[in-house]
Amino acid sequence: ELKVEQNPLFLSMQEGKNYTIYCNYSTTSDRLYWYRQDPGKSLESLFVLLSNGAVKQEGRLMASLDTKARLSTLHITAAVHDLSATYFCAVDKSWGKFQFGAGTQVVVTP
Amino acid sequence: GAVVSQHPSWVICKSGTSVKIECRSLDFQATTMFWYRQFPKQSLMLMATSNEGSKATYEQGVEKDKFLINHASLTLSTLTVTSAHPEDSSFYICSARDAGSAYNEQFFGPGTRLTVL
Repeated sequence: ELKVEQNPLFLSMQEGKNYTIYCNYSTTSDRLYWYRQDPGKSLESLFVLLSNGAVKQEGRLMASLDTKARLSTLHITAAVHDLSATYFCAVDKSWGKFQFGAGTQVVVTP
Repeated sequence: GAVVSQHPSWVICKSGTSVKIECRSLDFQATTMFWYRQFPKQSLMLMATSNEGSKATYEQGVEKDKFLINHASLTLSTLTVTSAHPEDSSFYICSARDAGSAYNEQFFGPGTRLTVL
């Protein structure tokens, strides 16, 4: 059974500092997705990582994928309040069936 | 971009009644849609895969007779929670896979919050 582990589950960030969220998964997959969820809302797609070594950046967020280590990271540069949300990684088990990580709740404070 | 809608966005019902939730892909065709549920402060759990023109496939532990899924067309899937009970109260989110996408990208609906009294 595929397991997807995120850590940390909670991250208190200071504005202006850098942080990383980790996503480990247990079986071979070359498709990994990152999403953001605001309270009471659905998921917003952030990144789709499709191959080993893939790196994508959007604003202060950068995601990477190492399929050999079965690890993806979401790096936040110079955190700002607007980034407060819960971040999920998801792995495609098969044919689009996603297994989600537990989520990382991010709170950015001044 | 691809848009998925859900209706209703929230619903309150009495225990024992049935509730239908619609999921529509607005600007693309979705041969496959997925239904997830999310309890407060928890992750999304895949409930079932809805395939146009065929029976849905359910994840282990999900009662297919309780959660009826119908994928009537390439743009519409419905989830009916039958004989709802308070423990069914949850946030239900659908997603749709773009049939034209090369990498199984899914687009998520805004979710339906179900409260069973």
